[in-house]
Amino acid sequence: GAVVSQHPSRVICKSGTSVKIECRSLDFQATTMFWYRQFPKQSLMLMATSNEGSKATYEQGVEKDKFLINHASLTLSTLTVTSAHPEDSSFYICSAGQTSGSEQYFGPGTRLLVL
Amino acid sequence: QQQVKQSPQSLIVQKGGISIINCAYENTAFDYFPWYQQFPGKGPALLIAIRPDVSEKKEGRFTISFNKSAKQFSLHIMDSQPGDSATYFCAAGDSGGYQKVTFGIGTKLQVIP
Repeated sequence: GAVVSQHPSRVICKSGTSVKIECRSLDFQATTMFWYRQFPKQSLMLMATSNEGSKATYEQGVEKDKFLINHASLTLSTLTVTSAHPEDSSFYICSAGQTSGSEQYFGPGTRLLVL
Repeated sequence: QQQVKQSPQSLIVQKGGISIINCAYENTAFDYFPWYQQFPGKGPALLIAIRPDVSEKKEGRFTISFNKSAKQFSLHIMDSQPGDSATYFCAAGDSGGYQKVTFGIGTKLQVIP
């Protein structure tokens, strides 16, 4: 149980385009999902907390207008990187927590490469 | 401000040996301390977690030791195997923070035959 999926697993796009990444909790409902960014050989940095049915809470320094988050249902959250630039190239990982309990379950990640 | 400090950043252990990774935290509101294992190109996977009401938790070859007064916790991997080679992250969370956790910098473990 507690499986989280992400789609796509990797994406290459041109500079200036937008990219949408989906995060789904497959066998549980997640009122809260988290989006992380991980650069090579570095730790996970929390970008935002996504709450179903409400606006996301962004960490300091993360541009809300650039990284659009939507949490439309208890099993789906999306991250849209708008007007992507090469410096946005990174590994994006989502996680979800069950309604009760503290454990977070992570998705497999999405590798984004902006040319 | 680095809220969770992790060391060492890299570790080489021989097969059968004990791997030890240490973490320290500053925020006394933290009450949930998980360890994650990450293989290259994959998302982290929860390995084991502990709460401050116990000083030790063991699951198979993995043991967490927790020292509340020192605000430190560590992961011990007994009988380390080449398949354990991965990056390990400690983390700390606050139950009141809706499952939000803060990660340590990570430890790249290599177990050599």
